[in-house]
Amino acid sequence: AQKVTQAQTEISVVEKEDVTLDCVYETRDTTYYLFWYKQPPSGELVFLIRRNSFDEQNEISGRYSWNFQKSTSSFNFTITASQVVDSAVYFCALTYGGATNKLIFGTGTLLAVQP
Amino acid sequence: DSGVTQTPKHLITATGQRVTLRCSPRSGDLSVYWYQQSLDQGLQFLIQYYNGEERAKGNILERFSAQQFPDLHSELNLSSLELGDSALYFCASSVGSGVPGQETQYFGPGTRLLVL
Repeated sequence: AQKVTQAQTEISVVEKEDVTLDCVYETRDTTYYLFWYKQPPSGELVFLIRRNSFDEQNEISGRYSWNFQKSTSSFNFTITASQVVDSAVYFCALTYGGATNKLIFGTGTLLAVQP
Repeated sequence: DSGVTQTPKHLITATGQRVTLRCSPRSGDLSVYWYQQSLDQGLQFLIQYYNGEERAKGNILERFSAQQFPDLHSELNLSSLELGDSALYFCASSVGSGVPGQETQYFGPGTRLLVL
């Protein structure tokens, strides 16, 4: 079965701290795609990154970086020098090579960045 | 702004009623998806349409139905509403290249439904 686990329900940090959000996935497919979405307090879901199962290169975008490790089935997300505007719920999600693009979401991690 | 629009933004109704949620995908996107976000179930896939045809069904109740019109906008119809249907309903769209799994879905702002 396909599953995404975000074990961290809530994380609280002080501004400028680095923080890592964990994501562990399960799938039997060899081709799959992993995503991170951000849901700020306003409620919309904002796409952050997509990574396919054949590309284990880490990615950095400004203060955001992602570490994909197939050996541990993890796709972790690090925010460097966190800011108050980073406060949101972050979702990790998975799609796989079935007949659909349906996203399987984790339960989300609420990140609170205190000033 | 993702380019996906949803109306209305908020909806308050009573049990037993029927409502229609509307979604316009990003320009050029052929696939539309509906998701439900509730406190107890989290984010759950409901249904996907591709160019007017149903492509996949998830945990969608029989009381719920959807369609995608020739202009590619989609509607989600919820009937015989119950208290437990209160949730945030998202629409998402993607290009619809036909290659399953690889497309990025862009989400609308959601419709917050409250059933009293």
